[in-house]
Amino acid sequence: SQELEQSPQSLIVQEGKNLTINCTSSKTLYGLYWYKQKYGEGLIFLMMLQKGGEEKSHEKITAKLDEKKQQSSLHITASQPSHAGIYLCGAPLRAGGTSYGKLTFGQGTILTVHP
Amino acid sequence: ETGVTQTPRHLVMGMTNKKSLKCEQHLGHNAMYWYKQSAKKPLELMFVYSLEERVENNSVPSRFSPECPNSSHLFLHLHTLQPEDSALYLCASSQDRLGRPSTDTQYFGPGTRLTVL
Repeated sequence: SQELEQSPQSLIVQEGKNLTINCTSSKTLYGLYWYKQKYGEGLIFLMMLQKGGEEKSHEKITAKLDEKKQQSSLHITASQPSHAGIYLCGAPLRAGGTSYGKLTFGQGTILTVHP
Repeated sequence: ETGVTQTPRHLVMGMTNKKSLKCEQHLGHNAMYWYKQSAKKPLELMFVYSLEERVENNSVPSRFSPECPNSSHLFLHLHTLQPEDSALYLCASSQDRLGRPSTDTQYFGPGTRLTVL
């Protein structure tokens, strides 16, 4: 089965600092989702990457997909306390057939931003 | 975010109780999912429904019983649960492309925090 490993598991930064979270897959990636979760709440969709080399940005968050490395990275520029939470990556379980959008998730990265 | 709602938000139950979790999506999607999120574990897919038909059951114990009466509603019926079933239960929905590879985004509800005593 496909596994996603996120690093680091937790991260504490000062407000204004840049940071990067990585998500590495044990198998070929056919797409990659990034979500953010506040503790005890649901997941908020951030962005989806579908093609190798693809890069997307939303406000101060940028995500890239490196198919060759079977890896995606999430970069936050000039972090703010509002960025704090748990970041999860998710990937489709298989590329073809009726996948029904099933996703496998990483274990999450806990981000703390100190003002 | 009101696209996917879940009730109740918190539930405490004894091992002999029977309760149900409810999920409703207002996004016009045709697929719905139940996930379990336990402490220090990745999100685990439990059940998948596409067009109200169960298409996936990830070896979930029979004490969890899903029901999907229509494409907008999903229930998870609980009975004789164990303390290790305490977790955050998340519902999600997406637009499945029926037989074609789907990478459509799943949208999640706020979850139900379940505690089994």
